[in-house]
Amino acid sequence: GAGVSQSPSNKVTEKGKDVELRCDPISGHTALYWYRQSLGQGLEFLIYFQGNSAPDKSGLPSDRFSAERTGGSVSTLTIQRTQQEDSAVYLCASSRSGTRYNEQFFGPGTRLTVL
Amino acid sequence: GQNIDQPTEMTATEGAIVQINCTYQTSGFNGLFWYQQHAGEAPTFLSYNVLDGLEEKGRFSSFLSRSKGYSYLLLKELQMKDSASYLCAVPGSSNTGKLIFGQGTTLQVKP
Repeated sequence: GAGVSQSPSNKVTEKGKDVELRCDPISGHTALYWYRQSLGQGLEFLIYFQGNSAPDKSGLPSDRFSAERTGGSVSTLTIQRTQQEDSAVYLCASSRSGTRYNEQFFGPGTRLTVL
Repeated sequence: GQNIDQPTEMTATEGAIVQINCTYQTSGFNGLFWYQQHAGEAPTFLSYNVLDGLEEKGRFSSFLSRSKGYSYLLLKELQMKDSASYLCAVPGSSNTGKLIFGQGTTLQVKP
């Protein structure tokens, strides 16, 4: 595809339910990142993938959050037993390689609302 | 660790010039990024500075002073479509490319 895509664009769920958010990076990009943007806050790093491995998970806020990447392409971020504080826009980004100098291309995000 | 500060909101007039400042504290320096984010849309890359000085790219310019831990984004000949959030970011300390973002500056351009 031409850019990074994410689905769904919006997700409303009830507290305690599990949700899965999907990211399709730009073809050929080996690095993939998940960020979270809460209302009035800056983007907050969650997890980094290089290929199918996640060498940096330091931003995941709790063990309710997990992510995987398959085939060096699609990634899924899973939030178990959602809480109201999980409400945010979840953004995915990809880059050619996971170095400090590479531009990251962002998807449009998934807006998660936990009632 | 890293810390980034930028003003929360700014207002400017169409056709004018506006400067959006960003100050940072990092344990090491590996460049500074600026992204633009229109409401409800994906952030898009504007610039990357790793050396001191001004880099011009059309109506947008970005400046960096490593000794002062300071950068600014300069927008000239403002247009209504420039109303957006402008995000300052630096790479994290690990060599993974993850970005540490400031809160973002929401710019409102008025006619």
